[in-house]
Amino acid sequence: GAVVSQHPSWVICKSGTSVKIECRSLDFQATTMFWYRQFPKQSLMLMATSNEGSKATYEQGVEKDKFLINHASLTLSTLTVTSAHPEDSSFYICSARDPYGPRIYGYTFGSGTRLTVV
Amino acid sequence: KQEVTQIPAALSVPEGENLVLNCSFTDSAIYNLQWFRQDPGKGLTSLLLIQSSQREQTSGRLNASLDKSSGRSTLYIAASQPGDSATYLCAVNFRRTGTASKLTFGTGTRLQVTL
Repeated sequence: GAVVSQHPSWVICKSGTSVKIECRSLDFQATTMFWYRQFPKQSLMLMATSNEGSKATYEQGVEKDKFLINHASLTLSTLTVTSAHPEDSSFYICSARDPYGPRIYGYTFGSGTRLTVV
Repeated sequence: KQEVTQIPAALSVPEGENLVLNCSFTDSAIYNLQWFRQDPGKGLTSLLLIQSSQREQTSGRLNASLDKSSGRSTLYIAASQPGDSATYLCAVNFRRTGTASKLTFGTGTRLQVTL
């Protein structure tokens, strides 16, 4: 089945610095990837849709300048949290779907990145 | 507005018991519905995907049903085991979101299977 790799698994950074999170599709090409955010004991909220070769589509209320998304290749999307603050501390998860894979697979998710801003 | 709700929020059962998790959604116009499992601090593992034209899917001890007209899906877990302890998430791909790719997640059910 389709595999999505996310790196790093966890990161601690100082307030005001920027953090980059990578999401890779390992055995398929993904023209579209999705970035979600999850607060403790809450469900996943879609932040943005990453489109290969074009601008990302952000959900309402998500700051484009704060959460920079780059999808420069068919297997890699990156999310950069710029000028991070403690309120940005959260669990970030990416997902993708193999457009040519069996429909039974649905969407595959990465293992997530725990961001802590101190 | 498309919303997904899961009941109960938490559930504790003894090992070996059969159980049902519920998911309801507000709009019957969907592409598909997917059940996931999430262990603490981890990503999501896909369990079952049901297309809008299907009524159920089975994988091992898991069976998921879909009733679009009533806006409901259930995940049935047979002969539960302690290793089944996790949070179970239901996600719906609504047609009216404007994209065939956007998933709307429920709030999840935290399951604990005790010895």
